[in-house]
Amino acid sequence: GDSVTQMEGPVTLSEEAFLTINCTYTATGYPSLFWYVQYPGEGLQLLLKATKADDKGSNKGFEATYRKETTSFHLEKGSVQVSDSAVYFCALNPLSGGYNKLIFGAGTRLAVHP
Amino acid sequence: GAVVSQHPSRVICKSGTSVKIECRSLDFQATTMFWYRQFPKQSLMLMATSNEGSKATYEQGVEKDKFLINHASLTLSTLTVTSAHPEDSSFYICSASVDRDYGYTFGSGTRLTVV
Repeated sequence: GDSVTQMEGPVTLSEEAFLTINCTYTATGYPSLFWYVQYPGEGLQLLLKATKADDKGSNKGFEATYRKETTSFHLEKGSVQVSDSAVYFCALNPLSGGYNKLIFGAGTRLAVHP
Repeated sequence: GAVVSQHPSRVICKSGTSVKIECRSLDFQATTMFWYRQFPKQSLMLMATSNEGSKATYEQGVEKDKFLINHASLTLSTLTVTSAHPEDSSFYICSASVDRDYGYTFGSGTRLTVV
């Protein structure tokens, strides 16, 4: 079945460090891919998305490229800030299925220290 | 942009009582809404898909008689936790689909504590 695998956290970085959070997926067809961010005690916010192969989603300095050949959608940011500390979820919307439900990865907790 | 309002944000109830959580799409019509449960430091578990004007579709292992879902209009879905017990304590999040490519908008979540 369709699934999303994220790197395990927590990821701990110093401010201004480079961030990569790996995400790979398994899906039939051509899913849409998403990164969501969850701050403590809150719901999820859409960070970025890509709907087809080679698309690059970007927002707030974060980027991710839809790589069909490696079935990956890794999240990157060149210089993290303390305010980026949160949990990041990779997700896909499969093409198949009777309704369009999101499939989430386990989430990766990011902690950024001054 | 698409906004989903979830209410209440926190609720404490006594064991055996029922609690209703509301999820409203404020500026768009949502024919489909989703209800998730999240345990501490874990990912979201899809509980059910709520379809306007029809019965909800529950995921395997979710008790439909305990978690009642009603989607009576294109802007409102409700989740009622019936005869709540401490093990039902969790963070519940709703989500609405605008369209497949747009993605999904999430409510801010409801922290339910059953004492």
